[in-house]
Amino acid sequence: QVQLVQSGAEVKKPGASVKVSCETSGYTFTGYHIHWVRQAPGQGLEWMGWIKPTSGDTKYTEKFQGRVTMTRDTSSSTAYMELTRLTSDDTAVFFCARGSPVPATVKLAFDSWGQGTLVTVSS
Amino acid sequence: EIVLTQSPGTLSLSPGERATLSCRASQSVTSNYLAWYQQKPGQAPRLLIYGASSRATGTPDRFSGSGSGTDFTLTISRLEPEDFAVYYCNQYASSRTFGQGTKVEIE
Repeated sequence: QVQLVQSGAEVKKPGASVKVSCETSGYTFTGYHIHWVRQAPGQGLEWMGWIKPTSGDTKYTEKFQGRVTMTRDTSSSTAYMELTRLTSDDTAVFFCARGSPVPATVKLAFDSWGQGTLVTVSS
Repeated sequence: EIVLTQSPGTLSLSPGERATLSCRASQSVTSNYLAWYQQKPGQAPRLLIYGASSRATGTPDRFSGSGSGTDFTLTISRLEPEDFAVYYCNQYASSRTFGQGTKVEIE
């Protein structure tokens, strides 16, 4: 079955960076985009962007442009999301999710999600 | 960017009652690329409905989605105890955006 397993919780100081991993299994990693979604405590879901595992092409929402970098390692079927210049407003749970196929001949909703990674930013 | 507005913010109902959740888009969602997710505390969201009206694998048939263009609805015909949760709509026609969520709570 399709599984996305994320790395564990992190505590970071303001100004630092964090890198979260998302290890996939149960399907062809290069066959689907991987997306990242942020959820601040008690708040809703906020889409951050995607990575196309075949080429490494990325698309980021404007809010995170310049601070986020999404990468992948096809040998381990793992996607990564790095967020820099952290502030207390970045305290949140970050989710990875499987999206549309590659190539995107059809668009798909997020049918599989990682369990989430809590990132706490505190001095 | 397509902005999704969900209403109401909170729905207080009893088990066995019918729940009707609304999601309105700021512009037309092409090909009805609109999904609904359920999220319980401490868990990842779970896909319920995609393509506005297709149930995802494992979604009980008491959940139904409808609508097109800019107006979409999620209906839960008879609430079960496990249905009390937060529900999000999400469009995937143009990038991706989420509504702010509707909490379905026990009255």
